Amino acid sequence: LAKTTQPISMDSYEGQEVNITCSHNNIATNDYITWYQQFPSQGPRFIIQGYKTKVTNEVASLFIPADRKSSTLSLPRVSLSDTAVYYCLVGDPVAGRRALTFGSGTRLQVQP
Amino acid sequence: DAGVTQSPTHLIKTRGQQVTLRCSPKSGHDTVSWYQQALGQGPQFIFQYYEEEERQRGNFPDRFSGHQFPNYSSELNVNALLLGDSALYLCASSFFPSLRQGASTEAFFGQGTRLTVV
Repeated sequence: LAKTTQPISMDSYEGQEVNITCSHNNIATNDYITWYQQFPSQGPRFIIQGYKTKVTNEVASLFIPADRKSSTLSLPRVSLSDTAVYYCLVGDPVAGRRALTFGSGTRLQVQP
Repeated sequence: DAGVTQSPTHLIKTRGQQVTLRCSPKSGHDTVSWYQQALGQGPQFIFQYYEEEERQRGNFPDRFSGHQFPNYSSELNVNALLLGDSALYLCASSFFPSLRQGASTEAFFGQGTRLTVV
């Protein structure tokens, strides 16, 4: 599985846009990029998944450049409730009921 | 529709004891995976069950074992508990409707069981 690198922590203020970048230089052709959000003492929650270009849902946007060696999770107008750990995962979602490989994630702290 | 449910939510055990954690997957899901999350770290894959058999296993010793029942629920058993087994144990369920190229799947996690070994 492709290894991912993301910042350990980020700080922001309410109402700002937050962009978290993840590097995955060894991403394979069949790999998708998936982001999970985790609050303290809760299980991770799926945010968004994409393969290339841009994906948007009601929660976030995911930007993936043409070479797919990195991706950026964009959270518009964050609030205090967006304070959490965000994980970037890379892998083939179809092949063999894949196990998810989590790194240490990015700890986002949103201040008032 | 209930999501993934885990029991108990908290548990305190003594070194050397054995523990059983339980998980009920989201309705319609047939695959259950277990993860261990130590404080300040990301979840680490323990093993995965579907069709009542262990299909994949992470880098965990044989003290960690599991079971999946016909109704897709699952148990995680840990024998001879060590202090280092203290962690949040997460269960995730998913399903795979097809092996169609490009299919997008996501895993649904439960709230976890906080195990403390003293």
